[in-house]
Amino acid sequence: DIQMTQSPSTLSASVGDRVTVTCRASQSISSWLAWYQQKPGKAPKLLIYKASNLETGVPSRFSGSGSGTEFTLTISSLQPDDFATYYCQQYNSYPYTFGQGTKLEIK
Amino acid sequence: EVQLVESGGGLVQPGGSLRLSCAASRFTFSTFAMSWVRQAPGKGLEWVSTVSDNDGSTYYADSVKGRFTISRDNSKSTLYLQMNSLRAEDTAVYYCAKEGPHYYDSSIYYTSRSFHIWGQGTLVTVSS
Repeated sequence: DIQMTQSPSTLSASVGDRVTVTCRASQSISSWLAWYQQKPGKAPKLLIYKASNLETGVPSRFSGSGSGTEFTLTISSLQPDDFATYYCQQYNSYPYTFGQGTKLEIK
Repeated sequence: EVQLVESGGGLVQPGGSLRLSCAASRFTFSTFAMSWVRQAPGKGLEWVSTVSDNDGSTYYADSVKGRFTISRDNSKSTLYLQMNSLRAEDTAVYYCAKEGPHYYDSSIYYTSRSFHIWGQGTLVTVSS
């Protein structure tokens, strides 16, 4: 199985900050990686697919990059609505696997 | 707007069974792979199972293989998850999810295997 490791687990930041979340795969997954945002009590929401493709309707301050085993999600200027938990997920092969999540908190 | 609505969750005793349903609307259900993803209380996301669109192939996490069965009824646009021999560690919110979105790459049309649209989730509690 492919293990997905996110860092950091928790990130404290302020409105307007630029933040980066890293996701590492235990083996190459090419670009078959997605990023999701989840708020408490809500279903996850797709932000990025195929490592760097922005889902329709997602603000352009979100961006994804990487390929192979190392990936990043960047938020260029944090907005109040962005404080949530973020998950990466590989869909290169079954079983699909998620990272453990990164909780983005207000500093 | 594309919609997925789960139902069938509830309280069940260890060793019991439950069948979840996911009613889909406003898209051509038969042309998309569909999945179940769960989230234990206070924990992260865990992929559970996927059924393909074309040949009905099924895939399972090791944690549920042999106990859970995913199926779909394209005539009813409904996805199912039959859960048998339930354990306390199966307690979670269960989400159904549709693959996607579509995108173009070098003029070729693809469907991403990411989880594009999610239902609101249904809570399954396994406890005596």
